[in-house]
Amino acid sequence: QVTLRESGPALVKPTQTLTLTCTFSGFSLSTSGMCVSWIRQPPGKALEWLARIDWDDDKYYSTSLKTRLTISKDTSKNQVVLTMTNMDPVDTATYYCARIRIGSHNYFDYWGQGTLVTVSS
Amino acid sequence: DIQMTQSPSSLSASVGDRVTITCQASQDISNYLNWYQQKPGKAPKLLIYDASNLETGVPSRFSGSGSGTDFTFTISSLQPEDIATYYCQQYDNLPTFGGGTKVEIK
Repeated sequence: QVTLRESGPALVKPTQTLTLTCTFSGFSLSTSGMCVSWIRQPPGKALEWLARIDWDDDKYYSTSLKTRLTISKDTSKNQVVLTMTNMDPVDTATYYCARIRIGSHNYFDYWGQGTLVTVSS
Repeated sequence: DIQMTQSPSSLSASVGDRVTITCQASQDISNYLNWYQQKPGKAPKLLIYDASNLETGVPSRFSGSGSGTDFTFTISSLQPEDIATYYCQQYDNLPTFGGGTKVEIK
């Protein structure tokens, strides 16, 4: 059974760095083709893809946010970590992690429940 | 980046109606297009992948078509449980989502 769960602070202050952790089970990020992405959704707005890390440690970032994002993984802990620097109130959103298998299944097939992050002083 | 233009942004239809949502890509994405359903307070759920393939367990009243730049998502007979927001998503390059279509019951 595949599950993902996001964790991190519910509230951050402007200019702070956000660190979110995605803890997953039911698959291994060392398996060829396996990847985890972060996606966010501001309240009442559309989904926005942020970043992806692959089984071979390749990393991809949103063009508009790449200077602020870092994604990493700890395969032994089944975790993927996203950091976002210089947080702003417009970054208030629900942040999701999701699994994707590149090559054979190019879609987000499993999602975490999401974690709401509010940016406010 | 590839832009996805989804329309309409919202619609209201009666139970049993046929509902159609369109998604247009800013450049040719072949069939690299997925559709998701999102209910309030929940994570998105995959319905259609590769433009026209129904995900396992998804009711057959949902369907998708298209290739290149123009795609269509259809609910053949709207049910009360279909109230949700629907998103298209391309994966030809870095993934991008459409703006969403909120479906309500009239």
